[in-house]
Amino acid sequence: KNEVEQSPQNLTAQEGEFITINCSYSVGISALHWLQQHPGGGIVSLFMLSSGKKKHGRLIATINIQEKHSSLHITASHPRDSAVYICAAGGSQGNLIFGKGTKLSVKP
Amino acid sequence: NAGVTQTPKFRILKIGQSMTLQCTQDMNHNYMYWYRQDPGMGLKLIYYSVGAGITDKGEVPNGYNVSRSTTEDFPLRLELAAPSQTSVYFCASSLQGARAFFGQGTRLTVV
Repeated sequence: KNEVEQSPQNLTAQEGEFITINCSYSVGISALHWLQQHPGGGIVSLFMLSSGKKKHGRLIATINIQEKHSSLHITASHPRDSAVYICAAGGSQGNLIFGKGTKLSVKP
Repeated sequence: NAGVTQTPKFRILKIGQSMTLQCTQDMNHNYMYWYRQDPGMGLKLIYYSVGAGITDKGEVPNGYNVSRSTTEDFPLRLELAAPSQTSVYFCASSLQGARAFFGQGTRLTVV
């Protein structure tokens, strides 16, 4: 069993839909990271959270420490949101244990 | 502000050759990391460094070496390249307890 599990692996949505990507982890963490990998390959950090909820624009990330679960939500999805979204468990040295990613495709 | 810069972007190596992947950051981050990404798999940590002169092994260090002589630079050395090292390599950096910044990646093929 992987230490960081994401679901779903693939997700296709229509423009405007509300999207949820889930992440469960089995290791102790100092923080939970959400990252976005563009089709060109570059990786961008979206959120780093250790409790509660964070919001940036149309993106919302939540974490439940007791249940070892986090979710990434995208409201009013747009084709430019199409990317791979990666959940990663952050260790005490800042090193990350990554999930395999969720490939999101938003159709116009 | 360039962030994290990796060179080269692409490279083809023959089996048994050696090369160095360069990584430099201009954000004065003390933590630096090398990851590899294989198709269908999550990124895996190869080596990391918490400051100049300090390096440590990650999950998949075999076949690689690193050094950290300055805060800015964290080169990854491949000795005796093997087909199993065909991958996309990412360098990242961060301050302690802060989010990571990633380079654009190096796509390496060993033939």
